[in-house]
Amino acid sequence: AQTVTQSQPEMSVQEAETVTLSCTYDTSESDYYLFWYKQPPSRQMILVIRQEAYKQQNATENRFSVNFQKAAKSFSLKISDSQLGDAAMYFCASPGSARQLTFGSGTQLTVLP
Amino acid sequence: NAGVTQTPKFQVLKTGQSMTLQCAQDMNHEYMSWYRQDPGMGLRLIHYSVGAGITDQGEVPNGYNVSRSTTEDFPLRLLSAAPSQTSVYFCASNPGQGRFTNYGYTFGSGTRLTVV
Repeated sequence: AQTVTQSQPEMSVQEAETVTLSCTYDTSESDYYLFWYKQPPSRQMILVIRQEAYKQQNATENRFSVNFQKAAKSFSLKISDSQLGDAAMYFCASPGSARQLTFGSGTQLTVLP
Repeated sequence: NAGVTQTPKFQVLKTGQSMTLQCAQDMNHEYMSWYRQDPGMGLRLIHYSVGAGITDQGEVPNGYNVSRSTTEDFPLRLLSAAPSQTSVYFCASNPGQGRFTNYGYTFGSGTRLTVV
C-alpha cells in the first residue's frame, strides 16, 4: 500500500521567519504529481502547491516552495516570510491506487507573533 | 460556480441509525471520493468513483455504501451508525482522465458527524 509520512506532528515559527515541513512518500505510479494541502480552522482543504514528479525544477507559489528529491521520495514544503494566516494543519498527499490521493497524518503549524 | 457542495455540515446520530451524507459537484468532474478525517490520522479514503455507475472501495469502506447514478452526485450512506464512525467527512472531486487527474482534488467543506 502507498504510504505518506509526515514526521512532525507540530511545528512553530516566528512571524516573518522561514519554516520547512517534511514529507516522505511511496508510490507505484510512474508519472505523478505531489500535493500540499492547507487546512485552516475553518476545516476547508486548500491546495497550496503541487509538484510534477518528472520535472527537476522545484515548484514555487509566492512564499511557498518545495524541495523535491525524487530518488529519496522526499517532498518538503518551505514557507518563507511566515504570516499569521499561515497557521493551519498542512497535509502532504501522493497518488495511491486508481490515482486517489493518500494523505500523511498532517503537521500543525503555529505562527508566533 | 459552487464547486463541491456537502450537506449537512453537522450531524448527530444515535447508534444504529442510518443516514446519507450528500455530495454534489457542478464542474463535470469524473472522479469523486469520500474521505474521513480523524485526529492524528490524516484523511483516509472510504470509497471512490471514476465515473457514473462505477464505484470502488478505499482504505476504510466497512459500514459505508455509495452509489453514483449521475456525474454530479455521490452520496455516502451510513447503514447502522457506530461511535467509531464519529469523524469529519470530506467529499472531493477531480476532472479525471489523463493529465487532468494530476491537477489535484477539489474538496467540499466537510461534514462533522457525531455518533452517540
